[in-house]
Amino acid sequence: GIQVEQSPPDLILQEGANSTLRCNFSDSVNNLQWFHQNPWGQLINLFYIPSGTKQNGRLSATTVATERYSLLYISSSQTTDSGVYFCAVGDNNDMRFGAGTRLTVKP
Amino acid sequence: EAEVAQSPRYKITEKSQAVAFWCDPISGHATLYWYRQILGQGPELLVQFQDESVVDDSQLPKDRFSAERLKGVDSTLKIQPAELGDSAMYLCASSLGPAGGIQYFGAGTRLSVL
Repeated sequence: GIQVEQSPPDLILQEGANSTLRCNFSDSVNNLQWFHQNPWGQLINLFYIPSGTKQNGRLSATTVATERYSLLYISSSQTTDSGVYFCAVGDNNDMRFGAGTRLTVKP
Repeated sequence: EAEVAQSPRYKITEKSQAVAFWCDPISGHATLYWYRQILGQGPELLVQFQDESVVDDSQLPKDRFSAERLKGVDSTLKIQPAELGDSAMYLCASSLGPAGGIQYFGAGTRLSVL
């Protein structure tokens, strides 16, 4: 099956800082999503981005499918951005999640 | 805003007992997923439904787990008998299309097996 690696595993930032999270995957995919899991366990879809670039407020994402990686950018981080960020990749019937990046934003 | 509903939110049970989780996807979503998330790891797909049919259950431990979506709407995941290693968060998600696309997750059921 597809292997998914996320880096870094942990990230601690001061409020207002910028960050980049990376997701590498081992095979071609037609589905890639970024999620944020809040401290209560709720997974929120941030981006559906099998290729290209998207932006939503302070967050943006880029997927380079030919090179098998995706990046999630967080600008001007806020304490509410804390949580675990997951990348999920695959095809229609086999989605695999990475181990996540745990982000802590300190005030 | 439409949401994926799951119940119960928390479940504590003893080893060898039976447990059941319920999920009601967003109205009109054809595809429904059950995931298991062990603490500190990413979610792992257990079973995927397209309407009432199972599309993928390759990671479902079929000796003790079962899942159904009889009318192609809500779904039930059952564990019988529960084992200590089943303690985890059980997440349900749904998506609009026949397969794939944006997945919307419920709040999950946190299971503790004692």
